[in-house]
Amino acid sequence: DAGVIQSPRHEVTEMGQEVTLRCKPISGHNSLFWYRQTMMRGLELLIYFNNNVPIDDSGMPEDRFSAKMPNASFSTLKIQPSEPRDSAVYFCATGSSGRDNSPLHFGNGTRLTVT
Amino acid sequence: DAKTTQPNSMESNEEEPVHLPCNHSTISGTDYIHWYRQLPSQGPEYVIHGLTSNVNNRMASLAIAEDRKSSTLILHRATLRDAAVYYCILLIQGAQKLVFGQGTRLTINP
Repeated sequence: DAGVIQSPRHEVTEMGQEVTLRCKPISGHNSLFWYRQTMMRGLELLIYFNNNVPIDDSGMPEDRFSAKMPNASFSTLKIQPSEPRDSAVYFCATGSSGRDNSPLHFGNGTRLTVT
Repeated sequence: DAKTTQPNSMESNEEEPVHLPCNHSTISGTDYIHWYRQLPSQGPEYVIHGLTSNVNNRMASLAIAEDRKSSTLILHRATLRDAAVYYCILLIQGAQKLVFGQGTRLTINP
């Protein structure tokens, strides 16, 4: 079991550029969550999917952020255009929603720096 | 969502037991108590969860007060690798959406 795989591990970009973060869930997991972590705000839930369908995107900060899950094996979080305040560590987590209290498994995150 | 309260930080010594408290006075009957921890430069990882009875697994023990308004995560013999931020989170049965507070930053002294 390779765990939740996120790429890239680090991303440095200039303000105004498009950024795409990627997540590969653990095989068989049907729920997927995107979190953002900063020193000031801690871990914040951005959006989550169940069976590839977005369930709650109320945490997405603004229209510059979008997330997709085209199939059970892949999800992306896109920021366009990026701004310095988007600098954070972005985590993807996956789980099995059909099993009561099954834990979420987190990837090691993508550290995004926008200059 | 019912809230939890944890101390901002705690410190302990290697090879000694650690008791991490969590208060959840507004917990409802259907809320499970979950603990996650985040090691430096890693994503959070699941530690343990319980409803009413005390729980044990290979990582830790969870002691739940009889009135369920508080709980304690117990690391029986801390190692340096247990230095992390520990989060206590309430979830209703079947839910997966984790809402993280600030957690307790645990420092282990050699």
